[in-house]
Amino acid sequence: SAVISQKPSRDICQRGTSLTIQCQVDSQVTMMFWYRQQPGQSLTLIATANQGSEATYESGFVIDKFPISRPNLTFSTLTVSNMSPEDSSIYLCSVESVSYEQYFGPGTRLTVT
Amino acid sequence: EDKVVQSPLSLVVHEGDTVTLNCSYEVTNFRSLLWYKQEKKAPTFLFMLTSSGIEKKSGRLSSILDKKELSSILNITATQTGDSAIYLCAVRNAGNMLTFGGGTRLMVKP
Repeated sequence: SAVISQKPSRDICQRGTSLTIQCQVDSQVTMMFWYRQQPGQSLTLIATANQGSEATYESGFVIDKFPISRPNLTFSTLTVSNMSPEDSSIYLCSVESVSYEQYFGPGTRLTVT
Repeated sequence: EDKVVQSPLSLVVHEGDTVTLNCSYEVTNFRSLLWYKQEKKAPTFLFMLTSSGIEKKSGRLSSILDKKELSSILNITATQTGDSAIYLCAVRNAGNMLTFGGGTRLMVKP
């Protein structure tokens, strides 16, 4: 399986600010995804990060709030913009292997005060 | 809309017990079902089950997919305190999207 790293691992931010989360994979992957896990909840897909084109967002998530970049096949960023306390969550990137198994990065725990 | 339901919500057992976790799903164009173990932040991949691979086993963990009943079970035998975690089930549709269930929180007491 791919080795996935995320930065930062955690952060505490003030409302109204933005945070960019980085996801790095040790091998080229076609499919990369961003998920959110709010406290006590399961994982929800935010978007699929497409290399060379705009991300594909799921219902309830918009580009202005969660801009995503995917400059190459090993790296992606997710920005949480104009944060509010409701954005306090764990944010996870994941990649899909050639055999369609999906692996997750270590996650970023975000607290918005 | 794809849907995944896990049961029970939580479970407390003692070391050495055997547990069975359940996952049922409704999905358009089912492709696979995945089980994960989540201890802190990141879910750790356990198994992927497909129409061509309906039973998987790794050590004390095993899983079976029942495509007729649209469900799967995850069995853990001879449980250990290190098995304490949230176990997540997810299904993948033809669009590569994973839909997760709410998870089962397992606590194994010494």
